Amino acid sequence: QSVLTQPPSVSAAPGHKVTLSCSGSSSNIGNNFVSWYQQFPGAAPRLLIYENNKRPSGIPDRFSGSKSDTSATLGITGLQTGDEADYYCGTWDSSLNGVVFGGGTRLTVL
Amino acid sequence: EVQLVESGGGLVKPGGSLRLSCAASGFTFRSHSMNWVRQAPGKGLEWVSSISSSGDFIHYAAAVKGRFTFSRDNAKNSLYLQMNSLRPEDTAVYYCARVCLACGVASSDYWGLGTLVTVSS
Repeated sequence: QSVLTQPPSVSAAPGHKVTLSCSGSSSNIGNNFVSWYQQFPGAAPRLLIYENNKRPSGIPDRFSGSKSDTSATLGITGLQTGDEADYYCGTWDSSLNGVVFGGGTRLTVL
Repeated sequence: EVQLVESGGGLVKPGGSLRLSCAASGFTFRSHSMNWVRQAPGKGLEWVSSISSSGDFIHYAAAVKGRFTFSRDNAKNSLYLQMNSLRPEDTAVYYCARVCLACGVASSDYWGLGTLVTVSS
């Protein structure tokens, strides 16, 4: 059971927009920055979003992040089949004194 | 080009030990905090440990505390994860990852390809 809660799967059509949710508590999301990662099968994770809504260089602006209270959201617009992957949220947990991840959401673009 | 290369994985019996290494290049290693993150087969990401840029501050996940030791050698641009008293549930791909500058420790902007650790009799 992960500390952060993500829906196991989400699907959307090409060209459409999708939002992926990540729910936590005051000890993690509520008082710390959230990061989002994309992971393709057999590959290492890639940082998409850090500090709730900042994109590292090279990440398209189709990807966006937001946070409200104890929940965070990753938005992806103009969906492409190449966006099919697992997406993880992560943050620091002040009670556990460690980094926590969500269980991941598998995005299907169909 | 930033590179992180893990090594040292393999098959080990329950109760055994293993030492993972991560060789870093292409950036100012001594300036960055670093993470170990693992992923069991078919499962999600699990944070293992973090170390500050100087090595003075280290945090561990409850699941590995007391069994794993994270260290770094800034002169050799290297990280080490000493894993003792290994259990079958430690079976996973272990990634070393760089924490981006001025970011929280949950933000790893570069990852290695990982090294597989299998704990089985």
